[in-house]
Amino acid sequence: QTVVTQEPSLTVSPGGTVTLTCASSTGAVTSDYYPSWFQQKPGQTPRALIYSTNNKHSWTPARFSGSLLGGKAALTLSGVQPEDEAEYSCLLFYGGGWVFGGGTKLTVL
Amino acid sequence: QVQLVQSGAEVKRPGASVRVSCKASGYTFTSNHINWVRQAPGQGLEWMGTIDPNNGATNYARKFRGTITMTRDTSTSTVYMDLSSLRSEDTAFYYCVREVVTGDFDYWGQGTLVTVSS
Repeated sequence: QTVVTQEPSLTVSPGGTVTLTCASSTGAVTSDYYPSWFQQKPGQTPRALIYSTNNKHSWTPARFSGSLLGGKAALTLSGVQPEDEAEYSCLLFYGGGWVFGGGTKLTVL
Repeated sequence: QVQLVQSGAEVKRPGASVRVSCKASGYTFTSNHINWVRQAPGQGLEWMGTIDPNNGATNYARKFRGTITMTRDTSTSTVYMDLSSLRSEDTAFYYCVREVVTGDFDYWGQGTLVTVSS
């Protein structure tokens, strides 16, 4: 069974920079996995942030960026704002379907 | 504007089936796949499967094969997700999600809470 692993939790100070990662149990994540990232705040529906590694939606704040880093997909937040406190989930493509990571709870403190 | 509007909350007994609908508007219904994703209380997101509204072709996650059926009605721009043999572990919010290009799950329905309880 394919497992996608994210950091369970991270803490960052306002104005700081933080990188969340997304690893695959099958090996290095490449652009062929079409990594995407979603933000979810308590009681809300998930919101798409990044797709196909590093593509942003029109509503994605400029401080969010996606990349591949050390064999993982990565989501970097630069100049973190208090409203960025949320759960972040990644999604990877495995040919036969999609698998979500377990999510990272980001605390801004 | 793109909208995916789902049916209301459901309460079901173990062993029963449930149907959740997802009505699309604001775009050409047959142009984009619709995925179903669920989230159990306090848990992460789980991909269940996808349907191509253009031809009805489906692809289900291995875990759900045998219990899930996705269909569509092009006359009403609606996608349906049927889940059978419900268990308490199926209690979750169920979301329909548009996939505009591969991996771009851009618009999400509001979610439908399905509660399975005796």
